[in-house]
Parts: sequence; C-alpha cells; structure tokens
Amino acid sequence: EAGVAQSPRYKIIEKRQSVAFWCNPISGHATLYWYQQILGQGPKLLIQFQNNGVVDDSQLPKDRFSAERLKGVDSTLKIQPAKLEDSAVYLCASSLGGRSLYNSPLHFGNGTRLTVT
Amino acid sequence: AQTVTQSQPEMSVQEAETVTLSCTYDTSESNYYLFWYKQPPSRQMILVIRQEAYKQQNATENRFSVNFQKAAKSFSLKISDSQLGDTAMYFCASIYGGSQGNLIFGKGTKLSVKP
Repeated sequence: EAGVAQSPRYKIIEKRQSVAFWCNPISGHATLYWYQQILGQGPKLLIQFQNNGVVDDSQLPKDRFSAERLKGVDSTLKIQPAKLEDSAVYLCASSLGGRSLYNSPLHFGNGTRLTVT
Repeated sequence: AQTVTQSQPEMSVQEAETVTLSCTYDTSESNYYLFWYKQPPSRQMILVIRQEAYKQQNATENRFSVNFQKAAKSFSLKISDSQLGDTAMYFCASIYGGSQGNLIFGKGTKLSVKP
C-alpha cells in the first residue's frame, strides 16, 4: 500500500510570511493527524480529524494555524503569519480509526521541515 | 498531566551487540498502551513495538523486545544483535483510555550503531 504522502519536503520562509503543507493519507484511513516536532523534542499533536470533522484541536495555536480536510481525504495545514518558533518538522499521520491506536496504529509521512528566518 | 520521560539523550552500541533504551511514564489510568517508534534521518516515524498495559507478557518483535515494569511505570526497549540500520532516534510514546487521540511522546534517544 502507498504510504502517507506529504509535500513539500522542505520550506524556508521569513517571519510573518504564510506557508501551507499538504498531506494525503493512506487510502481508506478515516483518521488524520498533524504533529509538530520541534528540534530535540518528540512530536506534539496539533490537530486530529475523523473523516472531515475535527476531533481534537486543543493544542493548535488558532490565532495563526489553521487546518482543513474538506473531502475527508487529503488535508492542508496553514500558518499565517509564521513566527521564528514555528521552525519545526510537521508530520502528518493517518490511521484506520474506529479502534484504539494499539489496534489501528499510526502511519506517518516523511514530514515537512520548516525553517522560519 | 500525562508525561513520558526518556532520560538518555544519546547512546551508542557496537554492531551485533545488545542495547537497552529507557523510558518511564506517568499515568493514573488503568487502561493504556505503550509504543516505541523509530525515526531515521528520513524523518518518517516507524512503529517498532507496542504493549498493552493489562498484558503481563513483554512484547517482542524479532530483534526488539520490551521490559514492561508496570509498578515502576517503566517501559524499556532492548535491541539485540544491533545493525547499522538501527541507527536512528527512538521515541517512547503512550496513549490512555484506548482512545484514538493524543499520543504522548518522550523527547527521544539518539542511537548510533558503530561498525
């Protein structure tokens, strides 16, 4: 099966600019996640979708971050305007959903490395 | 707050030898799950092994096994017969209540396998 696809692989922007990341999950996976991984830390959940609905966005900085999954398949994460502290790897993951993550584990993409200067 | 702690920022091991990575966690839940993920330079997080908290038996996956000490809230990963391809960041993670939700990760341990 094809894995989780993410683009771009790398992105460099200046602070206050906007940026968008794209994710296409594994076919048939109902649940999609965006994680932020700051250098030297483990990933932190930003937002979780079940089909096209938001399940958890409690850690998403909503004043500058937004995400959508309009047709319940691929998703876009946007940052506007970017800050220096947004420099990180943004990982997208998907799972079948409907069961615990033990029985329906996460599959991750290769991430987008964002550098904000 | 749910926390996962990895106290070894970096470790190294000679090829073919055995290495153990440490992880401790904090929870008041009785139903939870624990995971080890590997992140090579490609950045893709790859599931290595998983453990259900209510199972006494330690999980094993080929050269990878865990030592799950529930009372001590410890979940260490043992890699036997280390290979150069095992060089990566290793993250311990947990999720509570059998949910599909927030997987909590530790800060990771950078493992280098030397020839």
